[in-house]
Amino acid sequence: RKEVEQDPGPFNVPEGATVAFNCTYSNSASQSFFWYRQDCRKEPKLLMSVYSSGNEDGRFTAQLNRASQYISLLIRDSKLSDSATYLCVVKDGGATNKLIFGTGTLLAVQP
Amino acid sequence: EAGVAQSPRYKIIEKRQSVAFWCNPISGHATLYWYQQILGQGPKLLIQFQNNGVVDDSQLPKDRFSAERLKGVDSTLKIQPAKLEDSAVYLCASSLGRGGLVYEQYFGPGTRLTVT
Repeated sequence: RKEVEQDPGPFNVPEGATVAFNCTYSNSASQSFFWYRQDCRKEPKLLMSVYSSGNEDGRFTAQLNRASQYISLLIRDSKLSDSATYLCVVKDGGATNKLIFGTGTLLAVQP
Repeated sequence: EAGVAQSPRYKIIEKRQSVAFWCNPISGHATLYWYQQILGQGPKLLIQFQNNGVVDDSQLPKDRFSAERLKGVDSTLKIQPAKLEDSAVYLCASSLGRGGLVYEQYFGPGTRLTVT
């Protein structure tokens, strides 16, 4: 089983749509969770951290279910500029700051 | 504030040749990471430095890959000899601290390596 699993997509959605990405992780000792965004041929950039209580940043909402070892990202009112790969990232349960990346989910927002 | 710098941006070599990549982290960042990102996959950590010491190199293929960060600032990653499966983007990242505290990692633009 992969440490972090995501549906690779692609997700093709029209502008204005709501889209949700899911992610599962295998290490129950993991404590910190993130979503990174990676544009085509660019480096990954932190989109948002994921907190146990769930958190929202504008059109983006992240949720964590520790019991099910499941993380989600919801994007409302999709924009063309949201087209990118969304990487689910889990901090290793050990003492280092090691991050484990999923394979990413490709989102293509269509006009 | 200047970001993480990497060079070269692109490199094409033949298998069995050697290659080196350079990274300059954000000023003041103690922790430096090298990742390998194969097409269609997420980045995979190769090695993590805290200042000039290695914190984690468990996924570094040590028979052919080596990395150093001699003065705790710049770092180089070397592959010798290269194999076809080494074709990937090599990303350098840096962050403020280490250990149990979680600091945001900032990535450089990467070096795209093609081995023919």
